[in-house]
Amino acid sequence: EDQVTQSPEALRLQEGESSSLNCSYTVSGLRGLFWYRQDPGKGPEFLFTLYSAGEEKEKERLKATLTKKESFLHITAPKPEDSATYLCAVQAFNYQLIWGAGTKLIIKP
Amino acid sequence: GAVVSQHPSRVICKSGTSVKIECRSLDFQATTMFWYRQFPKQSLMLMATSNEGSKATYEQGVEKDKFLINHASLTLSTLTVTSAHPEDSSFYICSARGPGSYEQYFGPGTRLTVT
Repeated sequence: EDQVTQSPEALRLQEGESSSLNCSYTVSGLRGLFWYRQDPGKGPEFLFTLYSAGEEKEKERLKATLTKKESFLHITAPKPEDSATYLCAVQAFNYQLIWGAGTKLIIKP
Repeated sequence: GAVVSQHPSRVICKSGTSVKIECRSLDFQATTMFWYRQFPKQSLMLMATSNEGSKATYEQGVEKDKFLINHASLTLSTLTVTSAHPEDSSFYICSARGPGSYEQYFGPGTRLTVT
């Protein structure tokens, strides 16, 4: 069964304390893996698409990496404005998009 | 680029009335649009997928006669919640995808409260 699991459910960090969020997946063929950021009461904001193992993408303090089984979202020296829920989604070969439950990130000043 | 708008952002209606939510892609042509529902502290639940000019495909358990979707143009899709009841209160979010693209771009969402 196709599945996407994000961990941890919640992560509290001090400002400047780097860490990583995990997205593990099992799908019947991967077309793409997506990372989104969602603020409370808003729609998800697109961050990255990764297509193949070994691929990496960066945007400001965020860096996404992909292996054959999981993706990591690395956050370097985070700031309070990075606080949000980060969602991972995987598109299988049948084009179905499978969503993870998200990781709630809280950055304390 | 890739901006999606939704209107209204919040709506309160009485039980038994119908509510229409609009989703527009502002700077690209959306060949496919999606409608999601999100409950508090939960992830997104896909309700239906619509391709421009075609009937929407609904996910299992979603009543197509209750949630009417129209995708009449490459920039506009509407979701009408018919005969709304308090259990329909939720956060509804649309997303749009352009031709040849895998990424979905989301609107800001609509908070529906049925009293």
